[in-house]
This record gives sequence, C-alpha cells and structure tokens, in this order.
Amino acid sequence: DAKTTQPTSMDCAEGRAANLPCNHSTISGNEYVYWYRQIHSQGPQYIIHGLKNNETNEMASLIITEDRKSSTLILPHATLRDTAVYYCIVRFVGTNAGKSTFGDGTTLTVKP
Amino acid sequence: DTGVSQDPRHKITKRGQNVTFRCDPISEHNRLYWYRQTLGQGPEFLTYFQNEAQLEKSRLLSDRFSAERPKGSFSTLEIQRTEQGDSAMYLCASSSPGGNEQFFGPGTRLTVL
Repeated sequence: DAKTTQPTSMDCAEGRAANLPCNHSTISGNEYVYWYRQIHSQGPQYIIHGLKNNETNEMASLIITEDRKSSTLILPHATLRDTAVYYCIVRFVGTNAGKSTFGDGTTLTVKP
Repeated sequence: DTGVSQDPRHKITKRGQNVTFRCDPISEHNRLYWYRQTLGQGPEFLTYFQNEAQLEKSRLLSDRFSAERPKGSFSTLEIQRTEQGDSAMYLCASSSPGGNEQFFGPGTRLTVL
C-alpha cells in the first residue's frame, strides 16, 4: 500500500470549516483514499473514502486532485467534538482488499 | 450494539505472563484484522484473516504472538511471555466481503508491569 503524508497538527475555530490535507504521491490506480478519525482511547472511526471523484456524506467532504496525488478532507462546520486524530490512508478494496497502513495522522484541535 | 466488540477492554499483567484477547467482528464480516497502537503513533498492522484462513502476518508478529479464528467468526490474539514493550492498545477491525470499509472495535489496552 502507498504511504501518506499529513501535517502533524492543525487548529480550527469552532463553526469554521476544517480542511485537512494529505499527500499520497505514490498511490496506484486501483487504490482508494480513506479517512478515519480517532478520538482519545477509542478505535478509529471511518469517515469517508473515494477513488477519484469528490465525495460527500453526512460527516465530511473529500476532495481528490485530478492527478490523485493529494486529497483534502473537509469538515464544513467543525465542532468541539471533532477534536481528534485524523488519518488518511490508501488501500485496495474488493477482492484485493487487505490491511490498512496508517501514518501518524493529523491532530485536529477545534477551539471555541 | 452490532459493532465490533473486544474483550477485555483493559488488561494489566506482569512481565512473563501470557494474555489472550478476544475480538467479535460484525456478523457476516468475513475479514478480520488485528492492529497494535502505541501512544502517539498510528495503528500498526499485525495480521488478518479471511474466514478462518490467516492470509497475512506482519513482521511485528513475533513468535510470542499467535492469532486464531477457528470457526471464521470470533478471533483470539495470544501473547506469550509478555514483555514491557508489548504494552499497547490492541485493535481489531472487520470488513465485509466487498472489503470497502474496516470497522474498528474499541480496543484492548494492555499494560505490562
């Protein structure tokens, strides 16, 4: 699986959009981009994933660049409960799906 | 709750003792994964099963570690002769046959004294 690079930490004001970047320059054509978050002492929670098109769900939006070498997770209206470590990973899905290779993630702190 | 469950949630043991953790995946998920996470780091892959077959093992999984999934449902992870370096959160995840999402359990926090 390709590796990803994320900033170590970011701050965001409550109610504003949080934009979390991720670089995955060695991603292969069949690998998807996944985002998880982990609140202290809990297991990682799935947020969203995509292949090449932008995706949106009730939690967040995922913007993937045309060359697929980077992506941005957008939390449109960050709340204090969004304070967590956010992980960007790339992995195969379907019959080729396997392990997830996590980096150290971005610690997002939402401030009042 | 029909999510991934892990037992126990916390385990404190003395160095040299054996410990066993259990993971119950989401019903009908055929893939089950074990990860280890130390403080300040992201989860590290240990091993994964498809049904009862163990398909991949990380080099992190030394010979003191063994994982089983005998009936393709729940799984156990055993650590023999624990060392202080084994102190970590042990996470289990499962995914459906399509494998698109991995759902993680709450983890078992192991402390080796």
